[in-house]
Amino acid sequence: EIVLTQSPATLSLSPGERATLSCRASQSVSSYLAWYQQKPGQAPRLLIYDASNRATGIPARFSGSGSGTEFTLTISSLEPEDFAVYYCQQRNNWPITFGQGTRLEIK
Amino acid sequence: EVHLVESGGGLVQPGGSLRLSCAASGFTFSTYTMNWVRQAPGKGLEWVSYITTSSGTTYYADSMKGRFTISRDNAKNSLYLQMNSLRDEDTAVYYCARDSASGSSIFDYWGQGTLVTVSS
Repeated sequence: EIVLTQSPATLSLSPGERATLSCRASQSVSSYLAWYQQKPGQAPRLLIYDASNRATGIPARFSGSGSGTEFTLTISSLEPEDFAVYYCQQRNNWPITFGQGTRLEIK
Repeated sequence: EVHLVESGGGLVQPGGSLRLSCAASGFTFSTYTMNWVRQAPGKGLEWVSYITTSSGTTYYADSMKGRFTISRDNAKNSLYLQMNSLRDEDTAVYYCARDSASGSSIFDYWGQGTLVTVSS
């Protein structure tokens, strides 16, 4: 099973700042990595798939990069609605696995 | 508009059974592979199971193998999860999630979830 480790566990930033979230895989997942956003009481929402492709309707301030075992989700300038929990997910191997999440909180 | 609506959750005793349903609308259900994903209270996401369009292939997370069964009825636009031998650690919100394309394992639409509580 591929283990995804996200860092940091919690990130405290202010609106307008740049956020950088990391996801490290225990073995290569090629580019088969996605990012999801989840707000309290809501289902997750797909942001990025295959490392760098924005999902439909996702603002351009969200971007993804990386391949192999190291991936990054960047939010260029935080909006108030961006404060949430973010998960990475790999689809390279069964079973599908998720990272433990990074909580992005308002500083 | 795509809609996924789960139902069937509730309180069940350890060792008991429950069947979850997911009603799909707004897309051609029979052409999309589907998944169940769960989230224990205050915890992260855990993939549970996958099923192909024709139900010919299914996959399960190791901890659910032999206890959970995924199925679908394309005529009824519905996805199911039969859960047997439930344990305390199965307590979670269960989401159905659509693959963005057949077999993609990119979860582009999610239901709102249904809560399963396993407790005596």
